Amino acid sequence: SAVISQKPSRDICQRGTSLTIQCQVDSQVTMMFWYRQQPGQSLTLIATANQGSEATYESGFVIDKFPISRPNLTFSTLTVSNMSPEDSSIYLCSVGQGAQETQYFGPGTRLLVL
Amino acid sequence: AQSVSQHNHHVILSEAASLELGCNYSYGGTVNLFWYVQYPGQHLQLLLKYFSGDPLVKGIKGFEAEFIKSKFSFNLRKPSVQWSDTAEYFCAVLLYNQGGKLIFGQGTELSVKP
Repeated sequence: SAVISQKPSRDICQRGTSLTIQCQVDSQVTMMFWYRQQPGQSLTLIATANQGSEATYESGFVIDKFPISRPNLTFSTLTVSNMSPEDSSIYLCSVGQGAQETQYFGPGTRLLVL
Repeated sequence: AQSVSQHNHHVILSEAASLELGCNYSYGGTVNLFWYVQYPGQHLQLLLKYFSGDPLVKGIKGFEAEFIKSKFSFNLRKPSVQWSDTAEYFCAVLLYNQGGKLIFGQGTELSVKP
């Protein structure tokens, strides 16, 4: 499976600021996704990162709050904008070679908003 | 709405005990099924998966799972657990024709006492 890295691994941010999280894969992948894991909860899909076009967001998530870029087949970014303490979560990217294929997860970015 | 339910939030076992973690999902269409594991301090890893064929699938480290379509279940089993199996286990369902959206259960924390 692909090797997936995320930067930063963790951060502490002030409310009202924004943080951009990077996801890098060591090989080209068809699909890239962003998930959120809030404290004590399970993983929830935020959006599918589409190369060369706007991301596809799940219900409850909007582009203004979570802008996503995917400039090529190995890299994507997720920005958490205008942060509040409720955004404190682990953010994970996952990759797969097709919409029906296995997804492999990055190590996650642990975000704390004060 | 589609959902995945894991019956146990926290399971405590002694080494060599048998393990069964329940997972049920609510979706009437075709699904791919997964169990992921997150060991302490590590990222989410694939334990096993079911796409089609033999409903009894074997994964890494002696784990297996059985897909029972009529019960919408995909329970995880291991005949004899080890201390190193201490981790959080997530059941996940991938819905066909939903763009790769994985729906996760709440997770089950397994603690194995040496």
